[in-house]
Amino acid sequence: QVLLVQSGAEVKKPGASVKVSCKASGYTFTNYGITWVRQAPGQGLEWVGWINVHDGHTNFAQKFQGRVTLTTDTSTNTAYMELRSLSSDDTAVFYCVRDFSFNCDWWGQGTPVTVSS
Amino acid sequence: QTVVTQEPSLTVSPGGTVTLTCASSTGAVISTYYPNWFQQKPGQAPRALIYTTSNKHSWTPARFSGSLLGGKAALTLSGAQPEDEAEYYCLLLLGGSWVFGGGTKLTVL
Repeated sequence: QVLLVQSGAEVKKPGASVKVSCKASGYTFTNYGITWVRQAPGQGLEWVGWINVHDGHTNFAQKFQGRVTLTTDTSTNTAYMELRSLSSDDTAVFYCVRDFSFNCDWWGQGTPVTVSS
Repeated sequence: QTVVTQEPSLTVSPGGTVTLTCASSTGAVISTYYPNWFQQKPGQAPRALIYTTSNKHSWTPARFSGSLLGGKAALTLSGAQPEDEAEYYCLLLLGGSWVFGGGTKLTVL
């Protein structure tokens, strides 16, 4: 059974960075991409970016370009999202999603990130 | 900036039928925008319902269906159940990037 298990809640100060992990199981990790999604409190879903696990190719939403890094570790079947220069606007739940051939199917449980001084 | 627009809210009676739509500011939604639909209930992660316009996942209830309708992507719920009350989001591939719609709050009443 496919599972995406994300790391726990984070509290960060403005200007800091956060790194969220997403450990995949139940499928061949390198055969799929991982998409990352942000959801601010009471707001809708927002696409952050995508990584091709097989070759490391990435694509980002314009507003996150230069501030986010997506990586994977195929030895542990884990994807990572690092977001830098955090502000209060980044307070949100971040989700990882399995993505293959334009099909976003399995979602992680979400990682709450709070940015507060 | 490309905007994807959904109805902010809709209401359907139990057993009734409702269609949610997803429009793109770039023009008509076409199959190569690969529409995906998701359901999200309060306090939960979203759940995938439909991919590439009309394909269902193994867990998608048969009462949900996806299509292209009048230049938009559409999600039709036929025979609404109380448990279908939720927020619904569409997702389109536009210019090589995914863009979510703002979501539709569906009330079953």
